[in-house]
Amino acid sequence: IAGITQAPTSQILAAGRRMTLRCTQDMRHNAMYWYRQDLGLGLRLIHYSNTAGTTGKGEVPDGYSVSRANTDDFPLTLASAVPSQTSVYFCASSEQGDGSGANVLTFGAGSRLTVL
Amino acid sequence: GQNIDQPTEMTATEGAIVQINCTYQTSGFNGLFWYQQHAGEAPTFLSYNVLDGLEEKGRFSSFLSRSKGYSYLLLKELQMKDSASYLCAVRDSNYQLIWGAGTKLIIKP
Repeated sequence: IAGITQAPTSQILAAGRRMTLRCTQDMRHNAMYWYRQDLGLGLRLIHYSNTAGTTGKGEVPDGYSVSRANTDDFPLTLASAVPSQTSVYFCASSEQGDGSGANVLTFGAGSRLTVL
Repeated sequence: GQNIDQPTEMTATEGAIVQINCTYQTSGFNGLFWYQQHAGEAPTFLSYNVLDGLEEKGRFSSFLSRSKGYSYLLLKELQMKDSASYLCAVRDSNYQLIWGAGTKLIIKP
């Protein structure tokens, strides 16, 4: 089934530890995104990539890094986790990153991260 | 600053009609989206409006007035499976999506 796969589904992590959330898509979409979703707030963009080999910062990039070595994979790394990074993380993709047309986002199922 | 406002929660009865409003103040406008998100699941695309007027898609319709910075999502013949959060998002002049916090819709039998 075409779509986005995220791993892990959930994780409890000690503060200070390094963590990588994995995201893989099989739709050959050019653009990929990482969002975090917190209660009472809208989805907030962490980082994005309009095409393989390029990345950009979103609204809340501090404490996170990404890479886009190929079209399919877009991992998100927390170098040293802090409790404020407790959240649900969604990876998403779209055909293009330039916003032309509807450019609908397809989301993964999410990764629930708890930092203690 | 940029802002998307939508009600936090709404309750409606199975079989009825409900309208979920969204108002926005953004730096430019390049389209408005509605997504549905069931509890514990990923958001899924419902509708896209870039011109003023009503877009109808089955039981769901979405309306846009750019001059008023206003949109609504209309759900007809409500079913229990429509219980979900509905997210409004606006694409600004930089083609970045600005998201509202979502409206939790509770359907009662």
